[in-house]
Amino acid sequence: KAGVTQTPRYLIKTRGQQVTLSCSPISGHRSVSWYQQTPGQGLQFLFEYFSETQRNKGNFPGRFSGRQFSNSRSEMNVSTLELGDSALYLCASSLGLGSRDQYFGPGTRLLVL
Amino acid sequence: AQKITQTQPGMFVQEKEAVTLDCTYDTSDPSYGLFWYKQPSSGEMIFLIYQGSYDQQNATEGRYSLNFQKARKSANLVISASQLGDSAMYFCAMREGGDNDMRFGAGTRLTVKP
Repeated sequence: KAGVTQTPRYLIKTRGQQVTLSCSPISGHRSVSWYQQTPGQGLQFLFEYFSETQRNKGNFPGRFSGRQFSNSRSEMNVSTLELGDSALYLCASSLGLGSRDQYFGPGTRLLVL
Repeated sequence: AQKITQTQPGMFVQEKEAVTLDCTYDTSDPSYGLFWYKQPSSGEMIFLIYQGSYDQQNATEGRYSLNFQKARKSANLVISASQLGDSAMYFCAMREGGDNDMRFGAGTRLTVKP
């Protein structure tokens, strides 16, 4: 069974631009969560989608948004990029809400110049 | 408020010895899950072990075991027979209720010495 895939793996953008990251969960998994990891703030929860609906959202500004498609693939978008958005963005998939297993993808490393 | 605390920024262990990584948590929800993940330098988070708040026995997965002390709100990870490949960052995380959003600790960098 294929694992969680994230594209692209690496990305360089400049301030003010926008970016879209993609996550394909494990086949059969319907829940996708997104996390941001930075050296200063550690791992922080961004949002979670289940059955195309956003279930939870972390404490991030409205520039961060996401969506989930009917095949459970998810995208997250960051508009008007700031230097502080440079981070590793991790996506995790699980069967459903409250599942004991949550598997992470390899992440997308975003650098904002 | 900090929900997950890992007090050891870095730990060293000799190859083939056991090591304990500390984790304490804070929650008022009676239903929660505790997770440990390993993150090598590649960045991918690798799931190691899970303990549910209602589980009667401590979780074990191969060389990994979780020392779950509910009253003390601690969930320490024990790695037995350390291997060089165990060198990585280790994160403790907690999920409350039926949601999937997890709160992570700051992590412990484990270095296994030959």
